[in-house]
Amino acid sequence: EDQVTQSPEALRLQEGESSSLNCSYTVSGLRGLFWYRQDPGKGPEFLFTLYSAGEEKEKERLKATLTKKESFLHITAPKPEDSATYLCAVQAVGTNAGKSTFGDGTTLTVKP
Amino acid sequence: DTEVTQTPKHLVMGMTNKKSLKCEQHMGHRAMYWYKQKAKKPPELMFVYSYEKLSINESVPSRFSPECPNSSLLNLHLHALQPEDSALYLCASSQGGQIYNEQFFGPGTRLTVL
Repeated sequence: EDQVTQSPEALRLQEGESSSLNCSYTVSGLRGLFWYRQDPGKGPEFLFTLYSAGEEKEKERLKATLTKKESFLHITAPKPEDSATYLCAVQAVGTNAGKSTFGDGTTLTVKP
Repeated sequence: DTEVTQTPKHLVMGMTNKKSLKCEQHMGHRAMYWYKQKAKKPPELMFVYSYEKLSINESVPSRFSPECPNSSLLNLHLHALQPEDSALYLCASSQGGQIYNEQFFGPGTRLTVL
């Protein structure tokens, strides 16, 4: 069974204090790993897709990396508007197309 | 247009009511999804339509009935719901086919069952 574990559950940072969120996964074969951002009461917003170990993607203050067992979302010099829940999801080989396994998310709070 | 729209934004219904949630996308995506999300939990997959055909039903109770009239529209018909069905209902779309793609989510419908 595919499993996704995100840590920490919650993270509080001061504005400008860089850190990383972790997503550990166990799948029979990775098709793709996805990062989403979700603000309270809204739908998740797509951030990144990673397909193979060693791949990296960047967008503004966010950088996502992938190894064979985990992915990191690095946040550089965060701002209060980066506060949100960050969700990691995987799709695996042999899984019905379109079925993603989500982690429980990391809730990030950035204080000014 | 890179947006998924959902109506209504909020819905309050009694356990004997019949209502429908609507979702629309104009990105040319051929896969559409319904998710249910409870507070502080990740989205939970309910249904997947691929090329307007139901491809995944995650053993959802029959009081939830999905419909995909065309490649741009997705409906979720609700009947005889229970209070525990109160949640945020999310629609999403992706390029579909055999490509494992990222999903684009709508803003959701906040459903309250009294």
